[in-house]
Amino acid sequence: QKEVEQDPGPLSVPEGAIVSLNCTYSNSAFQYFMWYRQYSRKGPELLMYTYSSGNKEDGRFTAQVDKSSKYISLFIRDSQPSDSATYLCAMKDSGYSTLTFGKGTMLLVSP
Amino acid sequence: GAVVSQHPSRVICKSGTSVKIECRSLDFQATTMFWYRQFPKKSLMLMATSNEGSKATYEQGVEKDKFLINHASLTLSTLTVTSAHPEDSSFYICSASPGTGGTGPAEWMYQETQYFGPGTRLLVL
Repeated sequence: QKEVEQDPGPLSVPEGAIVSLNCTYSNSAFQYFMWYRQYSRKGPELLMYTYSSGNKEDGRFTAQVDKSSKYISLFIRDSQPSDSATYLCAMKDSGYSTLTFGKGTMLLVSP
Repeated sequence: GAVVSQHPSRVICKSGTSVKIECRSLDFQATTMFWYRQFPKKSLMLMATSNEGSKATYEQGVEKDKFLINHASLTLSTLTVTSAHPEDSSFYICSASPGTGGTGPAEWMYQETQYFGPGTRLLVL
C-alpha cells in the first residue's frame, strides 16, 4: 500500500462547478497537510496548508483534514478555466523534513 | 512572500558536459533545500535534501557523484549534473523550507512548508 493515494484523473468539470479533490494516506504520524497546484512545465505552487484535523478556507479554496479517516480534501468553488492544472497533495510529520506527495490529480475546467 | 528562483529555466547541452543549476530563496532564509526530478506526467521524485553548511542527503538510487549538491548559504543551493547523458534529460525543481522564525502556530506552520522554484528543463543531446 502506498503511503499517499490520489486519483490521477483527469477530472473534467464545466466552469462554475464545485470541485472536490481528495487524498488518502496510511501514516498516522502525518500532521502537516498541504495542497500544491502545478501548471504544465512550472514548479508547484503552495495553495493551502493545515495542521492536524479541521478546515481551512482561503477565497474559493477550502481544505479539510480528517485524521481519524486519514483523508484530506480540497474544494474549489466557482471553478474557472484558469484552475486547470495538476493538484498535488503533500504531507509530513514533525520528525522529518521531507514531504510525501500524492501523484497529483489533473483538473480540466472547460469554459 | 516565499519566492524561490531557479536559473537557468532551460538548458540544452551536449552529452558529457556538466550543467549547474542554481536555486535561490529571494525573500527568506532556507536552512533546508530540496532537489526534485519530474518526468512528464509523473509526480515529483525527491533526489536529495541539503542543509546549509552540511553535506546533502541523497535518496536511494540517486548517484551523489553524478548529482553534486552544494548549499553554501542560507539563500543558495546548486545542483551540478556532471558528465550529463541523454537519460539525465528531465525537469529539475528545487524547493526551500524557511528557517526558524517567529513564535506562534502561524509561523510554526510556515516553517513546515516547502516553497518551489519554477523548475529547470534540461535536455542533453
